[in-house]
Amino acid sequence: SQTIHQWPATLVQPVGSPLSLECTVEGTSNPNLYWYRQAAGRGLQLLFYSVGIGQISSEVPQNLSASRPQDRQFILSSKKLLLSDSGFYLCAWSVNLAGVDEQFFGPGTRLTVL
Amino acid sequence: QKEVEQDPGPLSVPEGAIVSLNCTYSNSAFQYFMWYRQYSRKGPELLMYTYSSGNKEDGRFTAQVDKSSKYISLFIRDSQPSDSATYLCAMMSGYKLSFGAGTTVTVRA
Repeated sequence: SQTIHQWPATLVQPVGSPLSLECTVEGTSNPNLYWYRQAAGRGLQLLFYSVGIGQISSEVPQNLSASRPQDRQFILSSKKLLLSDSGFYLCAWSVNLAGVDEQFFGPGTRLTVL
Repeated sequence: QKEVEQDPGPLSVPEGAIVSLNCTYSNSAFQYFMWYRQYSRKGPELLMYTYSSGNKEDGRFTAQVDKSSKYISLFIRDSQPSDSATYLCAMMSGYKLSFGAGTTVTVRA
């Protein structure tokens, strides 16, 4: 069966510090991978998605970046965090079932920027 | 105007009541309509999806889509305290999912 891991689970970082969040998927090959951010009381906002190694599409201009160094590894980074980067970051992978790209979410990383 | 509008609630109901949740949308390109459940501090999990107007049942859950009105609903029958969570509607066009803000539901024992 497929599982998705994210770490760390929680993170408190000062403004201006760098960020690296990691997501790995087990039990599947060549998945589509996604990074979302969920701010308090708001829906999920798609940040990046990837259809393969080294292939990243950005949905929202910001000071975040993403990389996919291996098939089942997706990394979210920032060189300098802003207060507005606080939120719940979710990684997801998808499989196409009968034409529907069903997305499965990881447990998330709660980031607080102070 | 947001693509997907969802009343954030909160909604509090007694155990056994019917929970009614809904979303409206503006993008006619949406092809699939989904409902996710998210427990506190966890990632969302897919409950149901549908792609056509009409009703779809799965146990105590019924999803309803009205494409002409751009309106979708989720009904939970015989609600249980374990149904207490945030429910997010989501709509898909191509690979992209657009989410509502989520409605927080509490089922009181």
